[in-house]
Amino acid sequence: AQSVSQHNHHVILSEAASLELGCNYSYGGTVNLFWYVQYPGQHLQLLLKYFSGDPLVKGIKGFEAEFIKSKFSFNLRKPSVQWSDTAEYFCAVNVPEKLTFGTGTRLTIIP
Amino acid sequence: EAQVTQNPRYLITVTGKKLTVTCSQNMNHEYMSWYRQDPGLGLRQIYYSMNVEVTDKGDVPEGYKVSRKEKRNFPLILESPSPNQTSLYFCASSPGQDLYNEQFFGPGTRLTVL
Repeated sequence: AQSVSQHNHHVILSEAASLELGCNYSYGGTVNLFWYVQYPGQHLQLLLKYFSGDPLVKGIKGFEAEFIKSKFSFNLRKPSVQWSDTAEYFCAVNVPEKLTFGTGTRLTIIP
Repeated sequence: EAQVTQNPRYLITVTGKKLTVTCSQNMNHEYMSWYRQDPGLGLRQIYYSMNVEVTDKGDVPEGYKVSRKEKRNFPLILESPSPNQTSLYFCASSPGQDLYNEQFFGPGTRLTVL
């Protein structure tokens, strides 16, 4: 069965710092990859997704992620974070009939 | 507005008292799913439905039931809730469940079982 690992459970950064959140998955077949964000008290929203093509994908609010097939990774990045990026971030892997989530990374941005 | 709605948003109940959490989507999506979110465990799938009258177990189905009598509705039923079902529940839908569909999430239902 597929699994998704997010090794950073809680990340604390100052505003303007650069961000990279790790995501690794285990599945040998074709996958599609997602990052979802959950702002405090809100539901999950799609941040970005990778289906095929350019392994560097850009999402909303200045986020991007790079798919590295050889490393089974899909890390999320942002060059300069803002206080409003404080949220929980979930990586997810989509295989036929099933979307599997990682355990999430809580990001706290200090003004 | 295209959306997934859940009711109630907050619920406190006692052990053994049957409850239903409703989920409805207005996007004509075929696929619907229920997740529970617990600290440190992320989102885990409870049940999913590929279409009307088609449901299947997810990763953590014990203690839950679902039904899909209409395309738009996918209620989650707890016949005899227990404290370990205290959690945040999300309903989601997507056009289908092939590789290419993102899921749209409802606002969540915070359930406390005393």
